[in-house]
Amino acid sequence: EAGVVQSPRYKIIEKKQPVAFWCNPISGHNTLYWYRQNLGQGPELLIRYENEEAVDDSQLPKDRFSAERLKGVDSTLKIQPAELGDSAVYLCASSPGTSGEVGETQYFGPGTRLLVL
Amino acid sequence: QKEVEQNSGPLSVPEGAIASLNCTYSDRVSQSFFWYRQYSGKSPELIMSIYSNGDKEDGRFTAQLNKASQYVSLLIRDSQPSDSATYLCAAHFAGKSTFGDGTTLTVKP
Repeated sequence: EAGVVQSPRYKIIEKKQPVAFWCNPISGHNTLYWYRQNLGQGPELLIRYENEEAVDDSQLPKDRFSAERLKGVDSTLKIQPAELGDSAVYLCASSPGTSGEVGETQYFGPGTRLLVL
Repeated sequence: QKEVEQNSGPLSVPEGAIASLNCTYSDRVSQSFFWYRQYSGKSPELIMSIYSNGDKEDGRFTAQLNKASQYVSLLIRDSQPSDSATYLCAAHFAGKSTFGDGTTLTVKP
């Protein structure tokens, strides 16, 4: 079974430029998460989707960040314009989405390492 | 105060010893707890989940949960150099996981 796929793996941009990250979850997983992980810290949730609905975007900086999950499968996270402080690893994860141990287990993609200069 | 607290370490143990990793959480509504291992430059991977008070064993790993004390731990028996990584604790409720900042474990040969 293929895991969570993310692209690109690395991205270097200048500040004020736009950037987009793509994620394809594990087939059949209804719940999709975008996290940001700064060096030495744990992942912080940016947005969570249940199918195509964003059910938790309270931590998403909406002035510059946007996300979409069309058709409830793959998802795109965009930053426009990027700031120096956005340098981090952006992780996508998916889970089956049902309650209980199996449904709530999250599987992470390899992440996109963003460097803003 | 973070919702999920972990000692940052580093925690260093000799090969073959028991490594004990601890985690406390502040939100009493958290219902399930996950331990993830993260190698440097890699993404987190699930080690164990635990839902009920008590111990849960899986191979060399034992997770312990005490909801009254809001405390979760992970024991690694017969530690190997390949166990050297950062271990993340996550508390889960209503579809959302809150992560600690992780404890870095080094197992010395």
